[in-house]
Amino acid sequence: DGGITQSPKYLFRKEGQNVTLSCEQNLNHDAMYWYRQDPGQGLRLIYYSQIVNDFQKGDIAEGYSVSREKKESFPLTVTSAQKNPTAFYLCASSIRGLAGGRYNEQFFGPGTRLTVL
Amino acid sequence: AQSVTQPDIHITVSEGASLELRCNYSYGATPYLFWYVQSPGQGLQLLLKYFSGDTLVQGIKGFEAEFKRSQSSFNLRKPSVHWSDAAEYFCAVGPQIKAAGNKLTFGGGTRVLVKP
Repeated sequence: DGGITQSPKYLFRKEGQNVTLSCEQNLNHDAMYWYRQDPGQGLRLIYYSQIVNDFQKGDIAEGYSVSREKKESFPLTVTSAQKNPTAFYLCASSIRGLAGGRYNEQFFGPGTRLTVL
Repeated sequence: AQSVTQPDIHITVSEGASLELRCNYSYGATPYLFWYVQSPGQGLQLLLKYFSGDTLVQGIKGFEAEFKRSQSSFNLRKPSVHWSDAAEYFCAVGPQIKAAGNKLTFGGGTRVLVKP
């Protein structure tokens, strides 16, 4: 079955450590996204990538880094510079279309809950 | 900049009763519009979407939404709620312009509680 996998489901980090969250998709989607979710704030975009070896900052990129070396993978690193990293992180992917239809429909993974101890 | 407002943070509804969730957006042009649902600790599932055409959109799980351009709204409705509809619901807007990078803007979410 096609879909998006995120690992681990739960992650604990000590202050000052960098951690990397995994996101893999087998939907053959060009575009991938990382969101952060906090209670009552909806989803906020951290980074997104529309094609391999290219990515752009979203609304809250400070303290995070990404890479896009393969089409199916878009790992997110939460660095020690992120002051309040405890949150639920969601990865998504979509077709990078040229016109309407499914252009903007994003498919989501199950999420990773990161807790800083 | 675009924004999405979901005025109701929490809604409690009795099982079998109707449900309406409000969504208002601010955008320079007609956007793509989406409703997603999220069960606790899970990812988001697409309920329905509006791109163009008929302003009343049917989705999965018996949900529908109506796009009203004059009110910049895209409210979600269900005639009869089931206990399994208890979840958090997110409205989202996306640009119809390719150069905007296919980004979605989400509302803050509405948590729905279903009473037996």
